[in-house]
Amino acid sequence: LAKTTQPISMDSYEGQEVNITCSHNNIATNDYITWYQQFPSQGPRFIIQGYKTKVTNEVASLFIPADRKSSTLSLPRVSLSDTAVYYCLVGDIYNNDMRFGAGTRLTVKP
Amino acid sequence: GAVVSQHPSRVICKSGTSVKIECRSLDFQATTMFWYRQFPKQSLMLMATSNEGSKATYEQGVEKDKFLINHASLTLSTLTVTSAHPEDSSFYICSARHTGHPYEQYFGPGTRLTVT
Repeated sequence: LAKTTQPISMDSYEGQEVNITCSHNNIATNDYITWYQQFPSQGPRFIIQGYKTKVTNEVASLFIPADRKSSTLSLPRVSLSDTAVYYCLVGDIYNNDMRFGAGTRLTVKP
Repeated sequence: GAVVSQHPSRVICKSGTSVKIECRSLDFQATTMFWYRQFPKQSLMLMATSNEGSKATYEQGVEKDKFLINHASLTLSTLTVTSAHPEDSSFYICSARHTGHPYEQYFGPGTRLTVT
């Protein structure tokens, strides 16, 4: 299982772009990278998933370098409502081995 | 989008009693469902993986006789906490993997269990 390392916490201000990097040095060939957002007392919410290069959807972008040993979640122009814990998961989606790491607690300030 | 529900959303029970938590995929079929536990200010910890029609696979350190999991249909999995004790008080979250799209995993809203 690829272990992930993320910063424990990050602070930002409204309107800024936030980049959260996750290290996963032992990522395997079949592993995908998935990011989730969690608010207090709620279940995690899917943000984005990728395998390599860049993935973009309506809420975020995911950048994955060629060696796939890290990934960066990019949140454009954050707002106060983006204050949450963000989890990077790495695992083989077909073999049910997705594990949550410690997550990054993002605080967006006015 | 795919929705996973949990019932109840919160429950308070007395020590020694059993509590059942339901997890349903509302608009998709889920061959595989997962159960997590989360303590305050901590990450989610995977407890077990359940596959429809077969026995659940428990993570190391999780007592299978205490946390009974049943996945009788493609849309329903249940977690029963037997003989609950105060240390079982936690936030329990289920997730379901879309049968047709295995890379899609959706989480329920969680169940807050308090054992008095």
